[in-house]
Amino acid sequence: DAGVIQSPRHEVTEMGQEVTLRCKPISGHDYLFWYRQTMMRGLELLIYFNNNVPIDDSGMPEDRFSAKMPNASFSTLKIQPSEPRDSAVYFCASSLGAGGTEAFFGQGTRLTVV
Amino acid sequence: GENVEQHPSTLSVQEGDSAVIKCTYSDSASNYFPWYKQELGKRPQLIIDIRSNVGEKKDQRIAVTLNKTAKHFSLHITETQPEDSAVYFCAATDSWGKLQFGAGTQVVVTP
Repeated sequence: DAGVIQSPRHEVTEMGQEVTLRCKPISGHDYLFWYRQTMMRGLELLIYFNNNVPIDDSGMPEDRFSAKMPNASFSTLKIQPSEPRDSAVYFCASSLGAGGTEAFFGQGTRLTVV
Repeated sequence: GENVEQHPSTLSVQEGDSAVIKCTYSDSASNYFPWYKQELGKRPQLIIDIRSNVGEKKDQRIAVTLNKTAKHFSLHITETQPEDSAVYFCAATDSWGKLQFGAGTQVVVTP
């Protein structure tokens, strides 16, 4: 397996535009996590899914953020409209089974909103 | 919900010395405690983990200890080398699978 795949690797967009980040988890993994990383706030858990169902979205900062997982091999994180303070590295990770297994991270998407 | 605290935020050590990073967690239902290493510009990667039914685990120069009563767990790196320089994150997973990270520790190993 190629690991967790995220796209794009880099995204530069203007304030107010819609941004969609994509993630393909490792095949067979039933947990998928979205994290945001900044210098100030570290690795923040935004939302996570189990078997394509959102379990906890309490980390999603605002209604401008939404996430979907239409099937076991694909998830999106959307920001609409984007703001400069959304600039960060967004990581997707997946794991097999409930608590107690390694979470594998994608390479991340570096988002810059100007 | 789970809250993971990590200290120190930065740690400078001489090559060959030991490094210790400490974390606390709040949710007594947490049962899995992984440690991740993140090099500059790269993704976090697992280096060692421990489950709630184990008190200590060692893998070559790294070891992790867990005190469930006190809700503390620690990472120990012995005989540090320059390639150990990175940001280290502790984390805790509850029985629902929620994986929360500490704030990270920047470790700098000077030759």
